[in-house]
Amino acid sequence: DTEVTQTPKHLVMGMTNKKSLKCEQHMGHRAMYWYKQKAKKPPELMFVYSYEKLSINESVPSRFSPECPNSSLLNLHLHALQPEDSALYLCASRLNGGLSTDTQYFGPGTRLTVL
Amino acid sequence: GENVEQHPSTLSVQEGDSAVIKCTYSDSASNYFPWYKQELGKGPQLIIDIRSNVGEKKDQRIAVTLNKTAKHFSLHITETQPEDSAVYFCAASNTGNQFYFGTGTSLTVIP
Repeated sequence: DTEVTQTPKHLVMGMTNKKSLKCEQHMGHRAMYWYKQKAKKPPELMFVYSYEKLSINESVPSRFSPECPNSSLLNLHLHALQPEDSALYLCASRLNGGLSTDTQYFGPGTRLTVL
Repeated sequence: GENVEQHPSTLSVQEGDSAVIKCTYSDSASNYFPWYKQELGKGPQLIIDIRSNVGEKKDQRIAVTLNKTAKHFSLHITETQPEDSAVYFCAASNTGNQFYFGTGTSLTVIP
């Protein structure tokens, strides 16, 4: 089973709202990722958690706040977003959190619209 | 850092024909090269991958070739079907946690 699940599938929020995206995997993977994807573009890396610790932060604005409560769960907390933050937010996971050539598996994404 | 270029950006083929998508990378330390297929409104799905100790890998109608000397790798789809229509992304990784993606190829298979 190579399933990464994401909730919700769709989210519409105003610029003053606070919401959270959730990602879950039960494959024992120790690296988890958040990507942002605009239409017709490749995924753009936001954050990487390795063994539940933040290992990569690609200079993402502070209105995006990641959290990794345990090895199976990854959250992305959203606050005071801008309309240009509207995109598909993808979660991915990988078996090893360290140096390896493991495959990265993606979830179905959350389609976010900021009004 | 790594730079991955992908060509062509769009590709139309007749059903039953072959499709080839090419990627080049810049960092000789990259040693893992996955290919993803993304259908509209869905997340990228891994379709095939190759590691740098292998020159070619095949899975039914899909194959990937790797030329480490020239730093390029290619995706080959034979006997294309309408359900192969999607956006395809190549990527490169160097054993670390970061994956570098190509810009994508939109493949249309015409029935």
